[in-house]
Amino acid sequence: NAGVTQTPKFRILKIGQSMTLQCTQDMNHNYMYWYRQDPGMGLKLIYYSVGAGITDKGEVPNGYNVSRSTTEDFPLRLELAAPSQTSVYFCASGGWTSGLKQYFGPGTRLTVT
Amino acid sequence: GENVEQHPSTLSVQEGDSAVIKCTYSDSASNYFPWYKQELGKRPQLIIDIRSNVGEKKDQRIAVTLNKTAKHFSLHITETQPEDSAVYFCAASPTANTGNQFYFGTGTSLTVIP
Repeated sequence: NAGVTQTPKFRILKIGQSMTLQCTQDMNHNYMYWYRQDPGMGLKLIYYSVGAGITDKGEVPNGYNVSRSTTEDFPLRLELAAPSQTSVYFCASGGWTSGLKQYFGPGTRLTVT
Repeated sequence: GENVEQHPSTLSVQEGDSAVIKCTYSDSASNYFPWYKQELGKRPQLIIDIRSNVGEKKDQRIAVTLNKTAKHFSLHITETQPEDSAVYFCAASPTANTGNQFYFGTGTSLTVIP
């Protein structure tokens, strides 16, 4: 099992550009999550999904969108990138089949200039 | 929503000593409490977790204690080693809510001095 994978690893965006962060898991987890981690801070939940076709907002959803068309994939879309979105983005998966544990991907380091 | 506070923010210990990190939470509905270790530039890795029906759990040099009445839980690392140096995050989860959301503390940077 590859676990949770994310692409790209690094990205630099100009203000106003858009991009999609990809996340895939091969553990057949029903729940998937997107977090952002700012320097010296904890993880803040952006969006989550409890299954294909179902998504919901977390603590900091503004400026982001998600979709979940399959169990495996949970892409995060940034529209009109702003410097405040400079952060490290982690995708995670878990749920009842994992005993409530969440497993994290390697992260995407995004800089908006 | 849930609010998790974590202390201290930084901690330095001599190799072989013990380290203790404490977290408090606000939502009495929280019933799952994981701890993650994050090395520099790496992803958070789950190291231990505890559920609300258990007061203590131990895994080799790592232990977690939970006091539901006081709404706090702690991570204990004994016989610390340099490879224990990392940032540690606690989290709380009211698992009855939709999506099993985690609420994270702000992290403790642990340095083990050889």
